[in-house]
Amino acid sequence: GQQVMQIPQYQHVQEGEDFTTYCNSSTTLSNIQWYKQRPGGHPVFLIQLVKSGEVKKQKRLTFQFGEAKKNSSLHITATQTTDVGTYFCAGRSGSARQLTFGSGTQLTVLP
Amino acid sequence: NAGVTQTPKFQVLKTGQSMTLQCAQDMNHNSMYWYRQDPGMGLRLIYYSASEGTTDKGEVPNGYNVSRLNKREFSLRLESAAPSQTSVYFCASSADQGQPQHFGDGTRLSIL
Repeated sequence: GQQVMQIPQYQHVQEGEDFTTYCNSSTTLSNIQWYKQRPGGHPVFLIQLVKSGEVKKQKRLTFQFGEAKKNSSLHITATQTTDVGTYFCAGRSGSARQLTFGSGTQLTVLP
Repeated sequence: NAGVTQTPKFQVLKTGQSMTLQCAQDMNHNSMYWYRQDPGMGLRLIYYSASEGTTDKGEVPNGYNVSRLNKREFSLRLESAAPSQTSVYFCASSADQGQPQHFGDGTRLSIL
């Protein structure tokens, strides 16, 4: 079945440092979505990528979808304490009807 | 708009007891989902309903049943709770399959 792997599982950074989480799929994805979950909260949709090689930005967040549509990354520039949480990718292959979530990267930002 | 509403927020059960988790959405979405979240395991799909009147198994359906009562409501039932079902349960909805999902606040369920 479809598998979506996400690394690293945990990341601690000093405030102001950059952060990147990576998502890799065993199959080609039709799209990939990113979600953020604050501690004690629920996942909140951030963005969806559909096209091969697509890059989207939201303020300090940059999302990329690989050329082969099997990997994706989320990069945060100059982290702030408000960035704390777990970031999940979720992908859907052409044959699957539902999203498969990665296991998430838990980000801690030290002030 | 409330979005996705889940009840209850917390529940403690004894092994063998049954209960139903309720979920309702007010966004006129076609698709609804039930996930469980365990530490280090991400979100695992239990059951989903692509549209009113249909339900399908997800990745981890054993020990659970669901009912899509109408377009708004999608309930999850544990017939005979087991300690392995201790988890945080999230309900979500989306306009259609594969579209961005909106999550409820979750139900924190402990089974002793």
